[in-house]
Amino acid sequence: DTGVSQDPRHKITKRGQNVTFRCDPISEHNRLYWYRQTLGQGPEFLTYFQNEAQLEKSRLLSNRFSAERPKGSFSTLEIQRTEQGDSAMYLCASSSEAAWGTDTQYFGPGTRLTVL
Amino acid sequence: ILNVEQSPQSLHVQEGDSTNFTCSFPSSNFYALHWYRWETAKSPEALFVMTLNGDEKKKGRISATLNTKEGYSYLYIKGSQPEDSATYLCAFWHTGGYQKVTFGTGTKLQVIP
Repeated sequence: DTGVSQDPRHKITKRGQNVTFRCDPISEHNRLYWYRQTLGQGPEFLTYFQNEAQLEKSRLLSNRFSAERPKGSFSTLEIQRTEQGDSAMYLCASSSEAAWGTDTQYFGPGTRLTVL
Repeated sequence: ILNVEQSPQSLHVQEGDSTNFTCSFPSSNFYALHWYRWETAKSPEALFVMTLNGDEKKKGRISATLNTKEGYSYLYIKGSQPEDSATYLCAFWHTGGYQKVTFGTGTKLQVIP
């Protein structure tokens, strides 16, 4: 296994369109995280899965955002009716250690979204 | 949203110099402090996960210390090399509240050969 992969790496869309990103974690990692990073800021937590269960979701997250991890393996993040403020790098990370918050997270390369 | 500050924002050092950066975070509700290295066009790479006051971690020429009572962590790089050029991020995990992790904005290090 070569690590966490994300697809696509870049996405340009027009305002109002829906977009979906995919994250494939390291095999057998049971935790999966989504983060968003805007220019000049650190990554911001969006949501977290343990296996297929979505256990945490940021209250900062608009209801236009939804994430799934249907079989506890890959995950998708969908943004509906995109806005220019959604332009950011979307990062995925996975981990396998027992203690939440103290687990070593392995990040993917990110998907850079540009909303025109 | 909690305030996690990293300083300096950026710095340039000569190859061979040693350097250090700071991550400051609230001293209450501490759970863990993570350090990452993020090279341009690559994925963030985990360096350390620190959980106990007084923790010291080391990985090659890079080391980190943690003071949870006063709310700071230092990252040290000994004998900087050009391949150390990257942005170094800290992430503060905490109990309480609804946003359990807050990242700093990073320290961008450029090592000049």
